[in-house]
Amino acid sequence: GDSVTQMEGPVTLSEEAFLTINCTYTATGYPSLFWYVQYPGEGLQLLLKATKADDKGSNKGFEATYRKETTSFHLEKGSVQVSDSAVYFCALNEGGGNKLTFGTGTQLKVEL
Amino acid sequence: EAQVTQNPRYLITVTGKKLTVTCSQNMNHEYMSWYRQDPGLGLRQIYYSMNVEVTDKGDVPEGYKVSRKEKRNFPLILESPSPNQTSLYFCASSKQGLRDYGYTFGSGTRLTVV
Repeated sequence: GDSVTQMEGPVTLSEEAFLTINCTYTATGYPSLFWYVQYPGEGLQLLLKATKADDKGSNKGFEATYRKETTSFHLEKGSVQVSDSAVYFCALNEGGGNKLTFGTGTQLKVEL
Repeated sequence: EAQVTQNPRYLITVTGKKLTVTCSQNMNHEYMSWYRQDPGLGLRQIYYSMNVEVTDKGDVPEGYKVSRKEKRNFPLILESPSPNQTSLYFCASSKQGLRDYGYTFGSGTRLTVV
C-alpha cells in the first residue's frame, strides 16, 4: 500500500539557518504530494502541494519539488524563523481517492 | 470565513460512556473525513464520506461510527469509549478531487478516556 516516510525529529536550528526535511514515498501510481504544518495547539494547515512529477510547490518561503525518480518531496526553506517552529507532515493522495496518507511528522524547533 | 468547526476542543470521559464529537463545514464540500493523531503514528483515517448518506471505513474504524445526514455535518460517535481511543481527533473536508485540493482540517478535539 501507499506510505510516506519522513525524517525523525526533532530538528533544532538557529534562526536564519537553512532547512531541509526529507520525505520519501511509496505509491503504485502517480500521487499528488502535500506538506502540511501544525502549529502548537492548532489543526493542520496546507503549506504547499505538487500534483505531478517535476512540479515545485511553494508558499511562505518554503519549497518542495516532486521528484519521481527518487520518489521524494523534500521540504526546504532558505532562512528559518522562530515562528516556523511547528510539526511538519508530508502526505500523498493516490488516484484522487478519499484518503491522504501521512508521514509521522517532523518537529522543527527554531532558536534565536 | 471558510472553515471546519469541531466541538468540543477538549473532552475527558469515562470508559463506556457514549459520546459524540461534532463537525461542521461551511464550504459546501462533498468529501469529509475523520482522522486520529497519535505520537509516532502520524494521522490515520477513521471514516470518510463522499457525500450525503455515503460513508465508508478508513484504516482504523473499530470502535467508531459516523453519519452524514446533511452535507455540512459529519459527527463522530464513540458508542463505548475505551482508553485506547484517547487521542487527538481531526475532522477534515474537501472538494471533489482530493489530489488537487487536499483536505481542510478543523482545529482538533483532544479526547481522554479514563
